[in-house]
Amino acid sequence: SQQGEEDPQALSIQEGENATMNCSYKTSINNLQWYRQNSGRGLVHLILIRSNEREKHSGRLRVTLDTSKKSSSLLITASRAADTASYFCATGKNYGGATNKLIFGTGTLLAVQP
Amino acid sequence: EAGVTQFPSHSVIEKGQTVTLRCDPISGHDNLYWYRRVMGKEIKFLLHFVKESKQDESGMPNNRFLAERTGGTYSTLKVQPAELEDSGVYFCASSQGAGVYEQYFGPGTRLTVT
Repeated sequence: SQQGEEDPQALSIQEGENATMNCSYKTSINNLQWYRQNSGRGLVHLILIRSNEREKHSGRLRVTLDTSKKSSSLLITASRAADTASYFCATGKNYGGATNKLIFGTGTLLAVQP
Repeated sequence: EAGVTQFPSHSVIEKGQTVTLRCDPISGHDNLYWYRRVMGKEIKFLLHFVKESKQDESGMPNNRFLAERTGGTYSTLKVQPAELEDSGVYFCASSQGAGVYEQYFGPGTRLTVT
């Protein structure tokens, strides 16, 4: 079964509104990374949050991590049409020098209407 | 600073043919990863290089796939012979370290096997 699962699968909002996407995972991790993918393009790294962190901010982005609930959320404030994209969470478990291979969820498709 | 680049952006080949994908990581990044997304499924890890050495190749699907990173700079991923189920998008990522570091992705190579 997949590690990461985003919720909702699709989200449509008006420009200026906030968008919240959630990610749940099943096994223990030590880091979680959020990515954005515009249609047909590559993955853009947004934020990395470690398991000992609860919240991180970057511009209009806010990421939270609750390891007890095995979940994370990505909040985009004051959304813009340019935020329209798919958003993915990817979990990693790197202990003892092992590879931090990321396990991706299926993504949330965000549409911001102008 | 240039990001991760991949070549070609799109490749269409017939079943049984050979294709070689190339990835140039961000300059100075010793760690290079290959991932792929096939059949609309989740993005999945293939393998990880540290410089020219394969650190983890647990995600490689079978022996038709050969990854190399001679000299520890760019990497190639060869599929020989290609099968229909190999169609998908192949992503390359690089990071500064092997542990909990941001992984920066390239635009991907879309492979279509007919």
